[in-house]
Amino acid sequence: ETGVTQSPTHLIKTRGQQVTLRCSSQSGHNTVSWYQQALGQGPQFIFQYYREEENGRGNFPPRFSGLQFPNYSSELNVNALELDDSALYLCASSLGPTSGYTGELFFGEGSRLTVL
Amino acid sequence: GIQVEQSPPDLILQEGANSTLRCNFSDSVNNLQWFHQNPWGQLINLFYIPSGTKQNGRLSATTVATERYSLLYISSSQTTDSGVYFCAVEEWGGSEKLVFGKGTKLTVNP
Repeated sequence: ETGVTQSPTHLIKTRGQQVTLRCSSQSGHNTVSWYQQALGQGPQFIFQYYREEENGRGNFPPRFSGLQFPNYSSELNVNALELDDSALYLCASSLGPTSGYTGELFFGEGSRLTVL
Repeated sequence: GIQVEQSPPDLILQEGANSTLRCNFSDSVNNLQWFHQNPWGQLINLFYIPSGTKQNGRLSATTVATERYSLLYISSSQTTDSGVYFCAVEEWGGSEKLVFGKGTKLTVNP
């Protein structure tokens, strides 16, 4: 059974650029959630994808967007990067609502984004 | 929205000591998880414990849902236990998002 994998692990961008982060869910999981963790803080919910549709969103502007693919992998896209977007971006997978959902999330190692 | 408070914010122990970390939450919850964040940033699942008591080796956890708190016990601590421990809850009603506390930073010295 493979766990949640994310890529890239580290990246550096400049203000105004765009970034795409990728996540493969744990085997058997069809729901993917994304979280942002600023330095010294707990992770904050960005959004969740189930059956290729957004299924809940946190308090993040529209320049944060995502996709889920038929194989349940997911992308997080951030446009017009700002300095405050520098953070660890964590992907988590779980069983979906019709698949024995319990709410238990399993996280990947994260993608650390630095915006200069 | 639901509030999650963890205490203490920082904890320094000598190897072999025991500790108790606390998580208070402001409303009823569907789900409560404890995580350990390793130095590389990965959140490692410790317990999925919306209620009751669980044990896994030197770690155990208890959630008293009616009183809105959870405790994580670490016995005979080791240097590898160092890191940040997070409590996260899912609000009752199935919002399907986890709300995290600010964490407890544990340092275990040899």
